[in-house]
Amino acid sequence: ILNVEQSPQSLHVQEGDSTNFTCSFPSSNFYALHWYRWETAKSPEALFVMTLNGDEKKKGRISATLNTKEGYSYLYIKGSQPEDSATYLCAFKNSSYKLIFGSGTRLLVRP
Amino acid sequence: GAVVSQHPSRVICKSGTSVKIECRSLDFQATTMFWYRQFPKQSLMLMATSNEGSKATYEQGVEKDKFLINHASLTLSTLTVTSAHPEDSSFYICSAREAGRLLSTDTQYFGPGTRLTVL
Repeated sequence: ILNVEQSPQSLHVQEGDSTNFTCSFPSSNFYALHWYRWETAKSPEALFVMTLNGDEKKKGRISATLNTKEGYSYLYIKGSQPEDSATYLCAFKNSSYKLIFGSGTRLLVRP
Repeated sequence: GAVVSQHPSRVICKSGTSVKIECRSLDFQATTMFWYRQFPKQSLMLMATSNEGSKATYEQGVEKDKFLINHASLTLSTLTVTSAHPEDSSFYICSAREAGRLLSTDTQYFGPGTRLTVL
């Protein structure tokens, strides 16, 4: 059974705080690691697709790193804003080309 | 770009009835669409992969006669939950992969999901 773990399960931060969360995944048969941002009542929004060990990607105040050898990825949010409140999902892709999701980190940013 | 719609967003039905959920790619062609299910406090779990013009591939433990999938065009896939029971109550969400993309690194674009409640 392939396991994708995300921690923490939920996180409350104050506006302006920087924060990060973790996604761990199997380190073998790795093809890609996806990050999504999912606001309530909306579609999950694709943030990053990461494929190479050591990859770092950035989109505005959000960035992510990837370590395929040890099987983890970090997502960072700099200077959190209330509009960053959402559930952040990671998903691992192997040679099956299917996405295996973690259960997400729910972020709440207080004004 | 890359918008996927899903309809209905919410449905309540009686036990024993069938419910159809539609998934549409609005501004791109999708040769492959995926259907996921999410139970409370759990992760999105893939139910089946739907390829345009061919039979869907179901994940282990998902009954193909209960969850009928049709992908008759490059922009539409439907999931029909037949003879629904209360244990089928869940959140169903579809995604679409744009035609012609590299399988290993492409992005799946998601619909907003359908909340099904079976009484």
